[in-house]
Amino acid sequence: QVQLVESGGGVVQPGRSLRLSCAASGFTFSSHAVHWVRQAPGKGPEWVAVISYDGNDKKYSDSVKGRFTVSRDNSKNTLYLQMNTLGVEDTAVYYCARDLWTGRGSYFDYWGQGTLVTVSS
Amino acid sequence: QSVLTQPPSVSGAPGQRVTISCTGSSSNIGASYDVQWYQQLPGTAPKLLIYGNRNRPSGVPDRVSGSKSGTSASLAISGLQAEDEADYFCQSYDSSLSAWVFGGGTKLTVL
Repeated sequence: QVQLVESGGGVVQPGRSLRLSCAASGFTFSSHAVHWVRQAPGKGPEWVAVISYDGNDKKYSDSVKGRFTVSRDNSKNTLYLQMNTLGVEDTAVYYCARDLWTGRGSYFDYWGQGTLVTVSS
Repeated sequence: QSVLTQPPSVSGAPGQRVTISCTGSSSNIGASYDVQWYQQLPGTAPKLLIYGNRNRPSGVPDRVSGSKSGTSASLAISGLQAEDEADYFCQSYDSSLSAWVFGGGTKLTVL
């Protein structure tokens, strides 16, 4: 069965960096684009970034562009999110989610359990 | 604020039918991008409930349905059960933002 397992969250001071990982199994990882989606406490989900199946195309939300970098290692079935210059507004549960293209957009058919990032002094 | 607008809460008695609306604009739902719905139980990740406006993934009961018209979409749940109590989010793609967008979520309470 499809599994996505995030790790790397924790408490970090403002201005510092953190790297999240997402280990995938149960499907051909190298055939799917994958997203990072975050959810602040009590809020709706917010899309963060997407990386194409081969890693050649990446897109970011305006709120993280220039600070966050998404990457993947298809040989290890793993997705990464390097987060730099973190601010309190980045506090959220971060999920990785598999992309499924419909022809009229795409959506998230499987989600990991999430990893909590808390930015606080 | 969220690009897609949902009511903060809805409620219904067991066995009743409820609907949740999701209002967008000409750059997302109105631009013919598909709408998806996700269910989130407390302390868990969102789970896909409806994709492509009206399609149910395997395992989702047929008392759950989705529809779309113009710049809006709706999720309907009939025969309400206690296990339906959760947060529900709509999602689409926005061409102006070049981003995947979500609604702010609707909390469904089963009375």
